[in-house]
Amino acid sequence: EAQVTQNPRYLITVTGKKLTVTCSQNMNHEYMSWYRQDPGLGLRQIYYSMNVEVTDKGDVPEGYKVSRKEKRNFPLILESPSPNQTSLYFCASSSLGGSNQPQHFGDGTRLSIL
Amino acid sequence: KNEVEQSPQNLTAQEGEFITINCSYSVGISALHWLQQHPGGGIVSLFMLSSGKKKHGRLIATINIQEKHSSLHITASHPRDSAVYICAVRSEETSGSRLTFGEGTQLTVNP
Repeated sequence: EAQVTQNPRYLITVTGKKLTVTCSQNMNHEYMSWYRQDPGLGLRQIYYSMNVEVTDKGDVPEGYKVSRKEKRNFPLILESPSPNQTSLYFCASSSLGGSNQPQHFGDGTRLSIL
Repeated sequence: KNEVEQSPQNLTAQEGEFITINCSYSVGISALHWLQQHPGGGIVSLFMLSSGKKKHGRLIATINIQEKHSSLHITASHPRDSAVYICAVRSEETSGSRLTFGEGTQLTVNP
C-alpha cells in the first residue's frame, strides 16, 4: 500500500530536549516536505526536498533542521525544541514536479513542548 | 492580506445540498491544490489544477487564472463530506516548490 509514515504520532517533551520526527514514503517520490498546522494560521511549509541531498527552506524554517540522505526518508529535527513549536506536523511526498503534483500526506504528528 | 483567502470559513449544509467553497489568491500561480482534512486530522489531496476544471465523483474543482479564483463544488452533499477543505497555491514568484495555504473551510453536512 502506498503510504507516507510518520513517527511518532504523539509526543510530549520538554524544552531543549532534542527530538526527531521521522518520515518515510514507499512510492519512490522525489519530492518530500514538512508542514506545521496551527489554529488560526493553517498549514505552513517548514522545509522541502526535491531529491536526495537537495533541501530548501519553506516559510517557517527557524528552529528546524532536515536531511535527505535517502530517497525514502526525510526526518525533521528539532535541536532545541521550544514551546512555540508545539503544533501538529505533517510530512508529504509527491512525484517529480514538487508542488505541481498531488501530494500524499502522512497521518500527522502532534508535538507538545512543555 | 494573506496570499490565499478562502470563503466561507465555516459552512453548514443539509444533506443533499449543492456546496461551493471559494479560494482567491493574490499572486501568479503555477498550480492550485484542493485538500480535504478529515475530523481525525488526516489530509487527502483532492485536486491539483493549473487551468480549467476537474471532476471526481461528486466533487468538481474549477479555476479562473485571470480572476485568480478557484471554486470547489460538492454535489448532493452527504454527512461524510464533513471536513475541513483547504486551498493551496504554488506561487510563480517564489523559487523552488513552496506551497502557501488558505486557512481552510470547515464544512458540516447535517443529515
